[in-house]
Amino acid sequence: LAKTTQPISMDSYEGQEVNITCSHNNIATNDYITWYQQFPSQGPRFIIQGYKTKVTNEVASLFIPADRKSSTLSLPRVSLSDTAVYYCLPWGSGGGADGLTFGKGTHLIIQP
Amino acid sequence: GAVVSQHPSRVICKSGTSVKIECRSLDFQATTMFWYRQFPKQSLMLMATSNEGSKATYEQGVEKDKFLINHASLTLSTLTVTSAHPEDSSFYICSARDWAQGDQPQHFGDGTRLSIL
Repeated sequence: LAKTTQPISMDSYEGQEVNITCSHNNIATNDYITWYQQFPSQGPRFIIQGYKTKVTNEVASLFIPADRKSSTLSLPRVSLSDTAVYYCLPWGSGGGADGLTFGKGTHLIIQP
Repeated sequence: GAVVSQHPSRVICKSGTSVKIECRSLDFQATTMFWYRQFPKQSLMLMATSNEGSKATYEQGVEKDKFLINHASLTLSTLTVTSAHPEDSSFYICSARDWAQGDQPQHFGDGTRLSIL
C-alpha cells in the first residue's frame, strides 16, 4: 500500500486559493488518487479523483505530475466552511477489495 | 452519486450492552463494505472488510468475537459491538463502492458516535 505524506496543518483566508500537496512515492501503477474531506463527527466526503495530469470538477482541481509520485489538491476561493481535514488516498480499482489506509491528513483552517 | 447510509448516528448505552450499527448502500449494490473506527483527533483505522454471503475479514488486532459483522444482502452490512465497554467508545464509519462501476471510489456513511457509560 502506498504511504502518503501531507502537511499536518495549513492556514489560509477566505477568498484565497489553497493548494494541498500529498506525496505518494510508491504508488502502484494501477492506483487512482482520491481526495476526501472530513468535518468533525462526519464521515469522509469524496472530493475528487484522478489518475494522471489534471482533473477538475465543480469544487476542486487535482494536479498529478507525470511520475505520479505526488498530487496537489487545489481549492479555489476558499470559504470558512472549507475548514476541515483533507486526506489523499491512493487506491486500486481492480482485483480484490481493499479497505483504505488513511494517513494523518491535512487540517485546513480558513480564517475570515 | 453513490449514497451510503448509516444508522444510528449516535448511541449512548451502559457498559455490557451490545450495540448494532447498520450500513446501507442506497442506490447501488455492494458486495463488499468496510468498517472503520476513528478516535478523537486521529485518523480513520480500517477494522474489517465485510463480504456479502461470507465471513468478514478482520484487520490485525481487531477481535472478531467482539465486533460481529453480518453482510446478508447486497445493500446491508451490520456491525455489532458485543458487551461494549467504555474503551469501545469511538466513532464508527462504514464505506462501500459500486463495484459495477469500475473506477468509482469508496463512499462513506456519516458515522455512528458510540458512547459507553
